[in-house]
Amino acid sequence: NAGVTQTPKFQVLKTGQSMTLQCAQDMNHNSMYWYRQDPGMGLRLIYYSASEGTTDKGEVPNGYNVSRLNKREFSLRLESAAPSQTSVYFCASSLAGYNYEQYFGPGTRLTVT
Amino acid sequence: QQQVKQSPQSLIVQKGGISIINCAYENTAFDYFPWYQQFPGKGPALLIAIRPDVSEKKEGRFTISFNKSAKQFSLHIMDSQPGDSATYFCAASKGFYGGSQGNLIFGKGTKLSVKP
Repeated sequence: NAGVTQTPKFQVLKTGQSMTLQCAQDMNHNSMYWYRQDPGMGLRLIYYSASEGTTDKGEVPNGYNVSRLNKREFSLRLESAAPSQTSVYFCASSLAGYNYEQYFGPGTRLTVT
Repeated sequence: QQQVKQSPQSLIVQKGGISIINCAYENTAFDYFPWYQQFPGKGPALLIAIRPDVSEKKEGRFTISFNKSAKQFSLHIMDSQPGDSATYFCAASKGFYGGSQGNLIFGKGTKLSVKP
């Protein structure tokens, strides 16, 4: 089992460019999440998907969109990147809901210049 | 408004010593308190978790102590080893007993260095 995989590992964007971060899990989990991690800020939830076909906003959703493509895949899109979106992005999955163990991917380090 | 406050920001401990990281929360509806461990360049991984119906949970060298009345919980690492050097995050969420749709709120993290 690969667990949670994320692509790409690193990305540099110019302000205004768009991109999609990809995430996939092979654990047959129902719930998936996108977090961002900034120095000294911990992890903050951007969006989550409690189950296939549903998505909801987290703590910091502005500037992002998500798609739960199927049970395995959950993508995060930046339509018009801004320097404030420079961060490390983590995808996670859990069997169901927040009170089950969340398994994290290796992260995508995004720099917006 | 930060709902989970973690301290200290950084901690240096000698090999064999005890590492203690503290967290305080505000929302009395929280009913699930996990600790995550993160090594440089990796994603966080669940280390240990506790629910408020117990005051302590131990797994190997790692212990969570929980004080419901003080709204505090802490992670103790006994016999700390250089391999424990990592960033530790506490977190809290609500909804376990009534359905789990609560948001997982993370503390800001503690960078632990264990010196040989």
